[in-house]
Amino acid sequence: ELKVEQNPLFLSMQEGKNYTIYCNYSTTSDRLYWYRQDPGKSLESLFVLLSNGAVKQEGRLMASLDTKARLSTLHITAAVHDLSATYFCALVFGDDKIIFGKGTRLHILP
Amino acid sequence: KAGVTQTPRYLIKTRGQQVTLSCSPISGHRSVSWYQQTPGQGLQFLFEYFSETQRNKGNFPGRFSGRQFSNSRSEMNVSTLELGDSALYLCASSLDVIRRRNSPLHFGNGTRLTVT
Repeated sequence: ELKVEQNPLFLSMQEGKNYTIYCNYSTTSDRLYWYRQDPGKSLESLFVLLSNGAVKQEGRLMASLDTKARLSTLHITAAVHDLSATYFCALVFGDDKIIFGKGTRLHILP
Repeated sequence: KAGVTQTPRYLIKTRGQQVTLSCSPISGHRSVSWYQQTPGQGLQFLFEYFSETQRNKGNFPGRFSGRQFSNSRSEMNVSTLELGDSALYLCASSLDVIRRRNSPLHFGNGTRLTVT
């Protein structure tokens, strides 16, 4: 069964702190996406990770992919309130299906 | 460049009715895919269209159908609406089909469907 599991599902953190969101998946995939969704808004693409060991960074966000462990992480450095949103990982599997994680609702306290 | 446009933004229907949602992709994008987002089930893939052909379908009943026109615009239809169909329906466009690795998805703002 194809599974994509994110944790934590809810995260409340102080500004200035670091934290990591984890995305585990059950079977081989050659592509992993990270998206951000603000309340009532659509999904905004953050990163596309295509190969083992891939690391991408944009501002205070850094994503990495370990295909052997079937794990991707989204690391937040020195969080600021503007990063409050729901973050999704998604993977494309061999039969062209795209499966999303449940999302991590991130709330950053001032 | 205009983004993905979905219409209408909000829709209220009653059980048993049918509904049609529309999606205009980014100019030049030939793939349109549809997703249902609910608090309980999260984001789920409905189907993907490319060059007017359905390429793939998620695990949804036959009441959910779609089509794509020659200009790549797509419509999604839900017949015999049920309360559980209340959701945010998102469409996404991309240059090529989902399986192509360099084909990121661009999402529209969604249609919020409420079934009463």
